[in-house]
Amino acid sequence: AQSVSQHNHHVILSEAASLELGCNYSYGGTVNLFWYVQYPGQHLQLLLKYFSGDPLVKGIKGFEAEFIKSKFSFNLRKPSVQWSDTAEYFCAVRSSGTYKYIFGTGTRLKVLA
Amino acid sequence: DTEVTQTPKHLVMGMTNKKSLKCEQHMGHRAMYWYKQKAKKPPELMFVYSYEKLSINESVPSRFSPECPNSSLLNLHLHALQPEDSALYLCASSQVGQGRDGYTFGSGTRLTVV
Repeated sequence: AQSVSQHNHHVILSEAASLELGCNYSYGGTVNLFWYVQYPGQHLQLLLKYFSGDPLVKGIKGFEAEFIKSKFSFNLRKPSVQWSDTAEYFCAVRSSGTYKYIFGTGTRLKVLA
Repeated sequence: DTEVTQTPKHLVMGMTNKKSLKCEQHMGHRAMYWYKQKAKKPPELMFVYSYEKLSINESVPSRFSPECPNSSLLNLHLHALQPEDSALYLCASSQVGQGRDGYTFGSGTRLTVV
């Protein structure tokens, strides 16, 4: 069965620190990969996505993610976080050609001002 | 319009009540979804509609009854719920097929069953 693992459940960083959130998935076929963010009290928003091509994808608000097929990973990065990045981050995987997303358990990021 | 609108935002209902959650989008998306999100957990898929037809039911109890009356609207009818059904119910929409833009989520309805 497909699954998505996010290793860091809670992350606390100071402003300007660099961020890397891990995401690993288990599925042998072609997948589409996503990172969503949920700010406190708000709805899920798409940060970035990978379908094909360049494995380094850039999203909104300075976030980027790298797809490493051999490691089944899609880690999220940001060189310098801001207080406003405090949110919960969900990695999601979808088998290509299907509707169903599998979400990871989420990582709660707190950025200290 | 790039939004998914869900009403109501909050709902408190008794275990014998019947209520409905509503979801609306005007982005021309022909796939619509219901997800359930418990506190500190990821969203879990409940139902998928494609071209107004139910295509996925993730073994959801029959006390939850979805309906897609047209391409812009998605309802979730609730009847005889249990307290453990209390959660945030999220509606989402996407293009059919590859859905290259990912989902667009609504803000959700926070449901409390008493």
